[in-house]
Amino acid sequence: EAGVAQSPRYKIIEKRQSVAFWCNPISGHATLYWYQQILGQGPKLLIQFQNNGVVDDSQLPKDRFSAERLKGVDSTLKIQPAKLEDSAVYLCASSLVLGQPQHFGDGTRLSIL
Amino acid sequence: AQSVTQLDSQVPVFEEAPVELRCNYSSSVSVYLFWYVQYPNQGLQLLLKYLSGSTLVKGINGFEAEFNKSQTSFHLRKPSVHISDTAEYFCAVAFNFGNEKLTFGTGTRLTIIP
Repeated sequence: EAGVAQSPRYKIIEKRQSVAFWCNPISGHATLYWYQQILGQGPKLLIQFQNNGVVDDSQLPKDRFSAERLKGVDSTLKIQPAKLEDSAVYLCASSLVLGQPQHFGDGTRLSIL
Repeated sequence: AQSVTQLDSQVPVFEEAPVELRCNYSSSVSVYLFWYVQYPNQGLQLLLKYLSGSTLVKGINGFEAEFNKSQTSFHLRKPSVHISDTAEYFCAVAFNFGNEKLTFGTGTRLTIIP
């Protein structure tokens, strides 16, 4: 079974620039999550999708972050404009259905200069 | 308020010695409990989970954890560690069964000393 795929693995941009991350979940997984992991901290949920609908985006900074999951499969997370405090690893995870464990991708490490 | 606390940020242990990584949570509702491991530059891998039933849960790589409802704890243990166990370990709790949102602790870095 192929795991959760994320790209790019690394991204370096300057503050105020825009950036986008892509995630392809495990085939058949209905639930998709985006997490932000700042150095030295645990992952923090940004947004959760069930198929192509948003279940929880209460911790997503909506003035600069956006996410979509068209057709209920892969997903993109965008930051526009980026701030220095957005430097982090962005993790995507998926689960088959609610109640099943989440499977994580290797993440995208974002550095803001 | 609902929260997850990992009491130790770093734990050094000699190879082949036992280890316990501590996790406590605060919640007014029932919970699901998880332990994840993160190797350098990788995502998180599920070690074990408690959903219901037996309070002693066995996971991969020889790890186990015990759910203690009265002490609101879910400590992770291994009787004999190996160099390959060097990693960051995260305790995670699902407080809301409706959306399976996970709240993670701040992590414990386990360092195995040869």
